[in-house]
Amino acid sequence: QLQLQESGPGLVKPAETLSLTCTVSSGSISSSSYHWGWIRQPPGTGLEWIGTIYYSGRTFYNPSLKSRVTISVDTSKNQFSLKLSSVTAADTAVYYCARQESCSTDSCSFYGMDVWGQGTTVTVSS
Amino acid sequence: QAVLTQPSSLSASPGASASLTCTLRSGINVGNYRIYWYQQKPGSPPQYLLRFKSDSDKQQGSGVPSRFSGSKDASANAGILLISGLQSEDEADYYCMIWHSNAYVFGTGTKVTVL
Repeated sequence: QLQLQESGPGLVKPAETLSLTCTVSSGSISSSSYHWGWIRQPPGTGLEWIGTIYYSGRTFYNPSLKSRVTISVDTSKNQFSLKLSSVTAADTAVYYCARQESCSTDSCSFYGMDVWGQGTTVTVSS
Repeated sequence: QAVLTQPSSLSASPGASASLTCTLRSGINVGNYRIYWYQQKPGSPPQYLLRFKSDSDKQQGSGVPSRFSGSKDASANAGILLISGLQSEDEADYYCMIWHSNAYVFGTGTKVTVL
């Protein structure tokens, strides 16, 4: 059964860069059938899609975060990563990684998230 | 105005049916969108329930009971998640989601309480 596990520092200082990695197990990140995404959830509030990557390295970012986000993939390690620069307290959240099925039609590139990691809490504070 | 608006809460009795709505902002036609639904329990990640665009374009999440179903109400410009035969384990937050303006956008969420 596919599993995703987020890892990275739980505390980041303001103005610095948040870095997280998602390790995929019991499945290949290089499968053409899937894309891989990041989503976050600030404390007590709703969900926000951050961005998505395909194994080829093609990326899709939320326009609201695009200037600060970089998502990359390492197929040799079966991992993909998130970097969010110039963080503020507003970036404090639980960060999730997730699998997204590639679209079977030309009407889209990838579907929504169908398998999620457990999430990791990141706090931005000095 | 939010892209997707959901009632903040809904209460229902065990065994009853619960209809959760996800209203799209004026000017965004529900007929053009796949509506995704997620269930989230405290301290856990969201779980994918299903997606619905039409009767010919829909998907049930793996292992998700058939008592969870999706539909649309075009007159209300809304997506609907119907939970039939409500059970205590269905008590959770429910989020809808669509792809809009080059981003996946989530709804505001509905907290379902099983009385």
